[in-house]
Amino acid sequence: DTGVSQDPRHKITKRGQNVTFRCDPISEHNRLYWYRQTLGQGPEFLTYFQNEAQLEKSRLLSDRFSAERPKGSFSTLEIQRTEQGDSAMYLCASSPTPAQGQETQYFGPGTRLLVL
Amino acid sequence: AQRVTQPEKLLSVFKGAPVELKCNYSYSGSPELFWYVQYSRQRLQLLLRHISRESIKGFTADLNKGETSFHLKKPFAQEEDSAMYYCACYNQGGKLIFGQGTELSVKP
Repeated sequence: DTGVSQDPRHKITKRGQNVTFRCDPISEHNRLYWYRQTLGQGPEFLTYFQNEAQLEKSRLLSDRFSAERPKGSFSTLEIQRTEQGDSAMYLCASSPTPAQGQETQYFGPGTRLLVL
Repeated sequence: AQRVTQPEKLLSVFKGAPVELKCNYSYSGSPELFWYVQYSRQRLQLLLRHISRESIKGFTADLNKGETSFHLKKPFAQEEDSAMYYCACYNQGGKLIFGQGTELSVKP
């Protein structure tokens, strides 16, 4: 297992187009998280899944954003009608179900989105 | 609201000098705190967490609940320590709250 993987690594799109990103977590990790990171800022939480259930969504996640984890394995994050403000690095992380000493989240390399 | 503050965007030191990267948090419950590091062209990775009370790559961090701080320290900086460092607080709801990050530059 090489860790969390994300695809694509880079995406350039025109404003108004839809984009979809994929995240493959570490196998046997029940939790999967999406974060967004803009230049000069730390990662900001977007949403997370426990298996296939989406348990929390940030207010940052507008109606144009949707995330799925249909079989409790990989996840997709779709942005509809992209705006220039969506340009950011989108990070995925996974972890075992949190218990004492198991909250460590393992991050993927990220997908860098540029909306022109 | 839960918040993590890293007051320094950039910290520049010479090799062999002591390093302290500051982190303050606000959290109403019992905080679980972490330091993550991102080396150039690499992914974000865990450096250490307070519950482990361990030293990783010579770095230590002590949780001070009175001062609501979790500063990262190393007595003698090395050039390979140059990286972005993020302090993060785990929210019992499941997410990490990150600070803005501090870029550490260790000069030869």
